[in-house]
Amino acid sequence: GENVEQHPSTLSVQEGDSAVIKCTYSDSASNYFPWYKQELGKGPQLIIDIRSNVGEKKDQRIAVTLNKTAKHFSLHITETQPEDSAVYFCAASIENRGSTLGRLYFGRGTQLTVWP
Amino acid sequence: DTEVTQTPKHLVMGMTNKKSLKCEQHMGHRAMYWYKQKAKKPPELMFVYSYEKLSINESVPSRFSPECPNSSLLNLHLHALQPEDSALYLCASSQAHSAMNEKLFFGSGTQLSVL
Repeated sequence: GENVEQHPSTLSVQEGDSAVIKCTYSDSASNYFPWYKQELGKGPQLIIDIRSNVGEKKDQRIAVTLNKTAKHFSLHITETQPEDSAVYFCAASIENRGSTLGRLYFGRGTQLTVWP
Repeated sequence: DTEVTQTPKHLVMGMTNKKSLKCEQHMGHRAMYWYKQKAKKPPELMFVYSYEKLSINESVPSRFSPECPNSSLLNLHLHALQPEDSALYLCASSQAHSAMNEKLFFGSGTQLSVL
C-alpha cells in the first residue's frame, strides 16, 4: 500500500512567522492529497486539499504545493496565529485500485505550536 | 449543516460490558466510516459503509460490530473489549465512497477507556 512520510514531527514558530510541513508519498498512482488539522479534544478537520492535476492551491493564509515528479507535497501557513496551534496530518489517496479504493493513508502528524 | 455528531463524548467501560457508540450526519452523505485513533498517532481505518452496506472491514476483531441502520446513522457496538482498545473512536462521512476521493468530514470522536 501507500506509505506517507511527514516532517517535522514538531514545529514551533513565533506568531506572524510562516510554517511549512512536508510530506512524501511512495505510490505514483496517488491522486488526492488532503490536509487535516486536529485540535485538542476534537476530530480532524479538512483544511485544504489538492488533486494531482494541480500544482498549487491557496486559501487565504494556507497553501499546498504538489510535486508529482518528486512525490512530495507541502503545507504552507503564512502569518501564523496562536489559534493555528494544533496537530496537522497530511494524507494521500490512491485512485481506484481494488482494495485501496478511497483509502486515506495518513502521515504521522506534526504538532505545530505558535508562540504569541 | 456540515456536522458529524458523535455520542457519547466520553465512555468508560469494563471488559465485560456491552456499549454502543453512535454517529449521525445530515449532509446527505452516502459513505460513513469508523476510525480508531491512539494518542499522538494518525487515525486508523476500521470500517467503511457505502450506501448502508459494509464495504470495508480492516480485519477488525469481532468484539467491534458496526451497524448502519440508515444513511444518516452509524453505530459501533462494543463487547468484551480489552484495555488496549482504549482510544479515540472517530466517525466520518463523505458524499460517496468511490474512486473520486471524496472529502472526508470527521466528528469529534468518543474517547473510550476500557478498564
